[in-house]
Amino acid sequence: EAQVTQNPRYLITVTGKKLTVTCSQNMNHEYMSWYRQDPGLGLRQIYYSMNVEVTDKGDVPEGYKVSRKEKRNFPLILESPSPNQTSLYFCASSLSGLAGGGNTDTQYFGPGTRLTVL
Amino acid sequence: SQQGEEDPQALSIQEGENATMNCSYKTSINNLQWYRQNSGRGLVHLILIRSNEREKHSGRLRVTLDTSKKSSSLLITASRAADTASYFCAPSNTGFQKLVFGTGTRLLVSP
Repeated sequence: EAQVTQNPRYLITVTGKKLTVTCSQNMNHEYMSWYRQDPGLGLRQIYYSMNVEVTDKGDVPEGYKVSRKEKRNFPLILESPSPNQTSLYFCASSLSGLAGGGNTDTQYFGPGTRLTVL
Repeated sequence: SQQGEEDPQALSIQEGENATMNCSYKTSINNLQWYRQNSGRGLVHLILIRSNEREKHSGRLRVTLDTSKKSSSLLITASRAADTASYFCAPSNTGFQKLVFGTGTRLLVSP
């Protein structure tokens, strides 16, 4: 089954304790992205990756790191989490970052990771 | 990147009725996308309409785009309780990179 998976789904941690949220897709997609969703603010993009070893900042990259060493995985790293990073996080992927027509016109989202930083 | 603004914020209808929600944006775009999110779950990509298209259909969904008014609408015909969700638009100058989503329209379809 074609899907985007995230782990963990729920995480409660404390300020300053490094954590990684994994994201994996099995569709051989080139493009992957991370978003956070907060009440009243909608979804905001954190980082995205057009392909292996190609990453770029979204609108809210501060406090986050990503890596894209292989096509299927795009982990989100919080080196020193703070309470303002408490949020619902979504990973997404698409065949291409560019809307080129046909089956490149769909972006698939993972189920979400609910993170609480105390 | 720019953010689309959905209107209304909330919409409540009966099953079988049509639901219309609107999206406005500020600067020129290459395409506009609509997504659905069931409570607490990941978004589902519904449809993408390009700036040179005026209308697009997918099943019970009909999307229009008016670039002169910088607005788009999503029509769900013959709504079902399963259509209850939040709906987001995402205007874009490219494809999927640097997308910004608004707070969405919350649709409630009652049996």
